[in-house]
Amino acid sequence: EAQVTQNPRYLITVTGKKLTVTCSQNMNHEYMSWYRQDPGLGLRQIYYSMNVEVTDKGDVPEGYKVSRKEKRNFPLILESPSPNQTSLYFCASSLLGGSYEQYFGPGTRLTVT
Amino acid sequence: TQLLEQSPQFLSIQEGENLTVYCNSSSVFSSLQWYRQEPGEGPVLLVTVVTGGEVKKLKRLTFQFGDARKDSSLHITAAQPGDTGLYLCAGAQTSYDKVIFGPGTSLSVIP
Repeated sequence: EAQVTQNPRYLITVTGKKLTVTCSQNMNHEYMSWYRQDPGLGLRQIYYSMNVEVTDKGDVPEGYKVSRKEKRNFPLILESPSPNQTSLYFCASSLLGGSYEQYFGPGTRLTVT
Repeated sequence: TQLLEQSPQFLSIQEGENLTVYCNSSSVFSSLQWYRQEPGEGPVLLVTVVTGGEVKKLKRLTFQFGDARKDSSLHITAAQPGDTGLYLCAGAQTSYDKVIFGPGTSLSVIP
């Protein structure tokens, strides 16, 4: 089954404790992206990647890191999480770029206390 | 900064009514997409519009892209409870550009 998987689905952590949210797709898609969703603000793009070893900043990259060492994986790293990073995070992939259909993962609800 | 605005923010209607939601920007987009998101899930693509003035139909849903490619509308005829959800528009300036999402229209269709 074609899908985007994220782990963990729920995470409660404390300020400053490094964490990684994994994302994997099995559709051989070139493009992968991370979004955060906050009430009233919609989805905001954090980082995106056009291909292996190619990443670009979205609209809200501060406080986040990503890497794309393999085509199928695109982990999101929070080196020193802060409470303002409490949010619902989605990973997505598409065949070639952002204007192509994006397939979204199930979401990761992160709470930073 | 590119922005996509959506209106209305919330909409509650009775089953069988028609409705239109709007997505507007001051920027030109190479394409606009409409997604629907249900609680606890990721967004799912409904349609992509590419050509200015383009109209696409998906059963009871009609999507239109503005002539200047700065705005789009979604019209639902005879809404059903299954149409309930968050409707999001999204745009990219090029095929490989970052994506901008609007804040969404939360639709509730009451049986």
